[in-house]
Amino acid sequence: SQKIEQNSEALNIQEGKTATLTCNYTNYSPAYLQWYRQDPGRGPVFLLLIRENEKEKRKERLKVTFDTTLKQSLFHITASQPADSATYLCALDLSGSSASKIIFGSGTRLSIRP
Amino acid sequence: ETGVTQTPRHLVMGMTNKKSLKCEQHLGHNAMYWYKQSAKKPLELMFVYSLEERVENNSVPSRFSPECPNSSHLFLHLHTLQPEDSALYLCASSQGGGASNYGYTFGSGTRLTVV
Repeated sequence: SQKIEQNSEALNIQEGKTATLTCNYTNYSPAYLQWYRQDPGRGPVFLLLIRENEKEKRKERLKVTFDTTLKQSLFHITASQPADSATYLCALDLSGSSASKIIFGSGTRLSIRP
Repeated sequence: ETGVTQTPRHLVMGMTNKKSLKCEQHLGHNAMYWYKQSAKKPLELMFVYSLEERVENNSVPSRFSPECPNSSHLFLHLHTLQPEDSALYLCASSQGGGASNYGYTFGSGTRLTVV
């Protein structure tokens, strides 16, 4: 069965450093992968999408890489700030059809200490 | 506000009650979804509607019954739930598949407690 692993349940880093989160998947070749941010008691918020033919994508302080050979995506937040503290989820689309069937990893809880 | 509104935000119900969760979006999206989020577990996809037709039912127990009367509204009808059904229920919408650069738009969820 398809499996998504975010290999750190929690990550605690110093403000100003780069946070790197990892998402690994098995038994699937997704056309694209998404990253979301979720704050406590709220729904996830879409951050970035990267397609299988894209190696890297950037948005402000965020950078996502996608290695379809390793079946891995890395999510980087540069110059991290306490406001970046949240749970970050990676998600794969299993259908690519008109209504997607996206499955999520269990998330990495990121804490940025001042 | 994300553009997807869920009501109520919190719900406590007994195992013999019947209640409904409501989701509304005015983003012009044509697909809507129900997800369940339990503590320490990934989001679980429950139902997918595309153009008001159910296209996916992820082996969800019949005590959960979805309804999509139009492209802007989605309901989840609940009856004879179990305590293990207590969770955060999230509604999401998208334009077509999630391959757009906007992904899914989620509501804030309904925190359900079954007693």
